[in-house]
Amino acid sequence: ETGVTQTPRHLVMGMTNKKSLKCEQHLGHNAMYWYKQSAKKPLELMFVYSLEERVENNSVPSRFSPECPNSSHLFLHLHTLQPEDSALYLCASSQGSSDTQYFGPGTRLTVL
Amino acid sequence: AQKITQTQPGMFVQEKEAVTLDCTYDTSDQSYGLFWYKQPSSGEMIFLIYQGSYDEQNATEGRYSLNFQKARKSANLVISASQLGDSAMYFCAMIIYSGAGSYQLTFGKGTKLSVIP
Repeated sequence: ETGVTQTPRHLVMGMTNKKSLKCEQHLGHNAMYWYKQSAKKPLELMFVYSLEERVENNSVPSRFSPECPNSSHLFLHLHTLQPEDSALYLCASSQGSSDTQYFGPGTRLTVL
Repeated sequence: AQKITQTQPGMFVQEKEAVTLDCTYDTSDQSYGLFWYKQPSSGEMIFLIYQGSYDEQNATEGRYSLNFQKARKSANLVISASQLGDSAMYFCAMIIYSGAGSYQLTFGKGTKLSVIP
């Protein structure tokens, strides 16, 4: 499999659930990103990992917890989310933190 | 602060015609890059084209070209010979290199392009 993959593609969860989003890149990149895309809002950068270390966290609530166990995998752990967290969550990767980012297909999250 | 403005929330174009999607940016940095991404209804973000602030030539990639006017701080995307598969959201984005491995990537709100048969 090539490119950037994300699972699951769709997720519905209650406010008390705990779930995780997974991202995997097969491009040999060393930087990975989580974005949130809400309806009618610009794409929001959430987290950046470079060489498996978190280098940026844009004031994201603690109910979102990222994990990068190696340069090919990135997780976003979710717990006690709010309905306003419903959005499309996109993962991206790049070779170096300043190069073109390649995106996965996204996970459509609905919080009930 | 960096800012990307896409003033066209939605646009229509006839199949086989060319269309220009507007993007203006605001930054005080001299070194930056500009991207265009396409997002079909399926949700994935597809990289289309990149222009560096020091590139003298306008970027082109197949049917896509970027009309870069540095003095006007504009980076419009031109799609020639539109196809039905071009119907999607299009996002303009800018990256600022801050040095020491630090950067900032800013996206516009997007333009929804609909291609009419």
